[in-house]
Amino acid sequence: GAGVSQSPRYKVAKRGQDVALRCDPISGHVSLFWYQQALGQGPEFLTYFQNEAQLDKSGLPSDRFFAERPEGSVSTLKIQRTQQEDSAVYLCASSVSWGAGNTIYFGEGSWLTVV
Amino acid sequence: AQSVSQHNHHVILSEAASLELGCNYSYGGTVNLFWYVQYPGQHLQLLLKYFSGDPLVKGIKGFEAEFIKSKFSFNLRKPSVQWSDTAEYFCAGDRGSQGNLIFGKGTKLSVKP
Repeated sequence: GAGVSQSPRYKVAKRGQDVALRCDPISGHVSLFWYQQALGQGPEFLTYFQNEAQLDKSGLPSDRFFAERPEGSVSTLKIQRTQQEDSAVYLCASSVSWGAGNTIYFGEGSWLTVV
Repeated sequence: AQSVSQHNHHVILSEAASLELGCNYSYGGTVNLFWYVQYPGQHLQLLLKYFSGDPLVKGIKGFEAEFIKSKFSFNLRKPSVQWSDTAEYFCAGDRGSQGNLIFGKGTKLSVKP
């Protein structure tokens, strides 16, 4: 597609439930990023893929968060045993190549509410 | 530690007023800086970016920003705002060599018609 596509757009999960958020990056983009944006805050880095390799996961807040990109295109962010503090918008972004200075294109986000 | 700060949380202007949104960064070494805009209900979009060279950078929709190294600043400006500029604006800088970004907390701009 023309842009970064994310699904679901909105998800309400009961505390303790597992959720999976999908990202379809722009076709051919090598780099893929996940960010978490809490209400009233700027996006915060979670993890980064170069093709299928997860090169940086330093931003994942706990071992309940897991991301994969098995074929170097679509990526899934999984959150196990969701907690209320996981409520946020999860943004996926991609760029054509790796390295500082490349334009990063964002999806519209997946809004997660944990009740 | 690398950081980006935006001083204004919410700015309210009337149409045709001039705009300046502050952004300061805390970095060592080479700096790449960006401004993103998020219109209501839409995704983050790149307004402009600075890598090197001319410190005055022009972006889309009449926006510009000036990189002032001595002040560690990258303020966003527009001479005359329109109602359609109502949005949230995020300043960001590179985090490491991968092209990842560190964002400020954002400034919400409301333009009254």
